[in-house]
Amino acid sequence: DADVTQTPRNRITKTGKRIMLECSQTKGHDRMYWYRQDPGLGLQLIYYSFDVKDINKGEISDGYSVSRQAQAKFSLSLESAIPNQTALYFCATSGQGAGDEQFFGPGTRLTVL
Amino acid sequence: QKEVEQNSGPLSVPEGAIASLNCTYSDRGSQSFFWYRQYSGKSPELIMSIYSNGDKEDGRFTAQLNKASQYVSLLIRDSQPSDSATYLCAVKLTGGGNKLTFGTGTQLKVEL
Repeated sequence: DADVTQTPRNRITKTGKRIMLECSQTKGHDRMYWYRQDPGLGLQLIYYSFDVKDINKGEISDGYSVSRQAQAKFSLSLESAIPNQTALYFCATSGQGAGDEQFFGPGTRLTVL
Repeated sequence: QKEVEQNSGPLSVPEGAIASLNCTYSDRGSQSFFWYRQYSGKSPELIMSIYSNGDKEDGRFTAQLNKASQYVSLLIRDSQPSDSATYLCAVKLTGGGNKLTFGTGTQLKVEL
């Protein structure tokens, strides 16, 4: 079974809709991250969390919110989706003392029409 | 200047050759460096991590770090068509907490 899972894997939605992307991990890691990736651009950090009570904004948090429901679960919400949020979204995890190596989920391809 | 820079490529090498991928970073105090491989439409996969100056080898992959010159490179020996992918360099910058900053990646094409 995959260590980091994301649901849904693909989603098409309309402008103005609220959407939630979910991430779960079985690696026992404390730290979780949400990134987006656009063609030709690198990975941009949206939000990150170092434990259940710790939430931090990344480079591009506007238009997004997150919830850390448990150590193993980290959700990303788009409150009112807009077309320029069409992208690949990745969740990643890392553990303390693990050399800061991050491990990625399979990604969610989101299309906002 | 971008914090982590990579040539976008594509870098084309013949099968069996050595592919050399380079990455420069702006923060002289950075301590942790990573190479990820990403196939089109897939998630990044960790290949190597390196923390000390010099070379680190793992199978056909060798990571090289030169902190004085602020660059890290990845060599792929005996390149195979299955190595064709985008390679992302990631750096843990000082003052960035425990976050990684990613380069935009170099596309590698291994030709038959």
